[in-house]
Amino acid sequence: QSALTQPHSVSGSPGQSVAISCTGTSSDVGGYNYVSWYQHHPGKAPKVVIYDVSQRPSGVPDRFSGSKSGNAASLTISGLQAEDEADYYCFSWAGRSWVFGGGTKLTVL
Amino acid sequence: QVQLVESGGGVVQPGRSQRLSCAASGFSFSNHAMHWVRQAPGKGLEWVAVLSYHGSSEAYADSVKGRFTISRDNSKNTLYLQMNSLRPEDTAVYFCVRGNGANYGTHLDYWGQGTLVTVSS
Repeated sequence: QSALTQPHSVSGSPGQSVAISCTGTSSDVGGYNYVSWYQHHPGKAPKVVIYDVSQRPSGVPDRFSGSKSGNAASLTISGLQAEDEADYYCFSWAGRSWVFGGGTKLTVL
Repeated sequence: QVQLVESGGGVVQPGRSQRLSCAASGFSFSNHAMHWVRQAPGKGLEWVAVLSYHGSSEAYADSVKGRFTISRDNSKNTLYLQMNSLRPEDTAVYFCVRGNGANYGTHLDYWGQGTLVTVSS
């Protein structure tokens, strides 16, 4: 049950696009289409922004998109806005359990 | 609306036990898998355990297996986490989280606000 690998931090200016990667193995990310992404503003409850690799819950702006290739998933946020600054976590089914990524801090410059 | 309210956090000595509760409302509790997720101070999210809608299937993170037990009472719309043999590294905010499906689902769709457990002498 090793944590999925995410970059510690990413940054972008308002209006730009950023991508956050999430690398696992064939036993988790690569083996199932059950990858989801969570936005977490400190002190608040996390919120799902992408589920099942690329599905967007109602109410989440279409600026958020997800994809997967092999053992790596990716969250892309386009048209960055100040309120997007938060911590982001990927999450995947791993066959018998679930596992989070280590988290990525997104800074909007 | 969906509400998940955790309780039972506090300061506990190493080696002792603590039980967390999560009161659910605003949805059909007995139709959803439920998870516990924790976040240690300054650290990322860590998945802890999941229990299926009827309580017959469960899974745990290796870090808590054999020490923690997840359970539910569908008649009371309540989820529990029994934590035994607590260690300082179990210090964290514990979140009660709803799975989107009846068995394990595919993702976590609603989160509580969390309850802080501090393991310290």
